[in-house]
Amino acid sequence: AQSVTQLGSHVSVSEGALVLLRCNYSSSVPPYLFWYVQYPNQGLQLLLKYTTGATLVKGINGFEAEFKKSETSFHLTKPSAHMSDAAEYFCAVSVRSGGSNYKLTFGKGTLLTVNP
Amino acid sequence: ETGVTQSPTHLIKTRGQQVTLRCSSQSGHNTVSWYQQALGQGPQFIFQYYREEENGRGNFPPRFSGLQFPNYSSELNVNALELDDSALYLCASSQGQGTRFEAFFGQGTRLTVV
Repeated sequence: AQSVTQLGSHVSVSEGALVLLRCNYSSSVPPYLFWYVQYPNQGLQLLLKYTTGATLVKGINGFEAEFKKSETSFHLTKPSAHMSDAAEYFCAVSVRSGGSNYKLTFGKGTLLTVNP
Repeated sequence: ETGVTQSPTHLIKTRGQQVTLRCSSQSGHNTVSWYQQALGQGPQFIFQYYREEENGRGNFPPRFSGLQFPNYSSELNVNALELDDSALYLCASSQGQGTRFEAFFGQGTRLTVV
């Protein structure tokens, strides 16, 4: 069964520093991978997605992620953190829920804190 | 293009009661999925509706049920509420049979069971 593991429930960085949020997946078939961000008391906003093709994916707000099949990883990075990046980040994999249907399976999330 | 909207935003219910949560899907989307997000956890898949029929279900008991209407809006119903049902309930809409490529989420309904 497909699953996602996010390493580190809480990451703290200084403003301007590199952001690295780790995600490893388990999938018996080529995965569709996503990163979502959740600000307090809000729903989920899609940051970026990997379906097929280029393994380096660029998203909104300066974030990007690289799909590495050999490492079963899809880590999220941003070169320079901004205070507004403070939020919870979820990695997700799209898996079949029956027939030709798909659902999202999420990791437990990583809370990003940005210090001034 | 309108986004996904959910109502109400907050709700307090008593254990044993029933609740109905509502979701309007994004324009042009025919699939709605519901997720439960307990405090400090990632969202968990409840079920999905495609063209008014249930199209996949997660590990939730039958007291969690739903509907999808011809305009693709959806309801989540929970009977016999338990304290553990307290969570943020998220609705997501997508095009096609499920969230293979992209899902758009509403802001959620915060349900508190006391």
